[in-house]
Amino acid sequence: AQSVTQLDSQVPVFEEAPVELRCNYSSSVSVYLFWYVQYPNQGLQLLLKYLSGSTLVKGINGFEAEFNKSQTSFHLRKPSVHISDTAEYFCAVIDPTGGGNKLTFGTGTQLKVEL
Amino acid sequence: DADVTQTPRNRITKTGKRIMLECSQTKGHDRMYWYRQDPGLGLRLIYYSFDVKDINKGEISDGYSVSRQAQAKFSLSLESAIPNQTALYFCATSETGTRAHIAQYFGPGTRLTVL
Repeated sequence: AQSVTQLDSQVPVFEEAPVELRCNYSSSVSVYLFWYVQYPNQGLQLLLKYLSGSTLVKGINGFEAEFNKSQTSFHLRKPSVHISDTAEYFCAVIDPTGGGNKLTFGTGTQLKVEL
Repeated sequence: DADVTQTPRNRITKTGKRIMLECSQTKGHDRMYWYRQDPGLGLRLIYYSFDVKDINKGEISDGYSVSRQAQAKFSLSLESAIPNQTALYFCATSETGTRAHIAQYFGPGTRLTVL
């Protein structure tokens, strides 16, 4: 079964600083990878996804992620964060050989941007 | 109007009561999902449906049942609610087909408290 590890449960960062949220997955097969964001009291919104092709994926709100197959990682980055980026971020994976697009989520990383 | 709606948004109930959470979508997607979110655990799949005649258990289906009344509607029921079912519940939808459409779209969530 797939698993997703987000080692950092909380990441504090100052406004305008860069940030990296880490995600590792367990799989020896090709997978589809996603980052979702959850703002306070809201549902999940898709930030970006990797299906195939270029390993650097750009998403909304200035975020990007890099797929690294050898390290089974899909870390999320932003060069300069804003207060409005404060939210919880979830990494998720789909194993396309599993017969359907069932998402397996990590436990989430709370990003707190401070002035 | 929101593409994926959930009702109610908040519900407080007592142990042993039957509860139904409803999800409707206007995206025209065939696939629908129910997840629960618990702090520190991320989102876990309860049930999913790939079309009106297809219902499948997820990783934590015990204590829950679902009904796919139409392509646009997918309900989650707790036959006899218990306190450890207190959680935030999300409905999601996705298209069937090419990899480009494999992302899931989430509703705003239902916060359920079982006393």
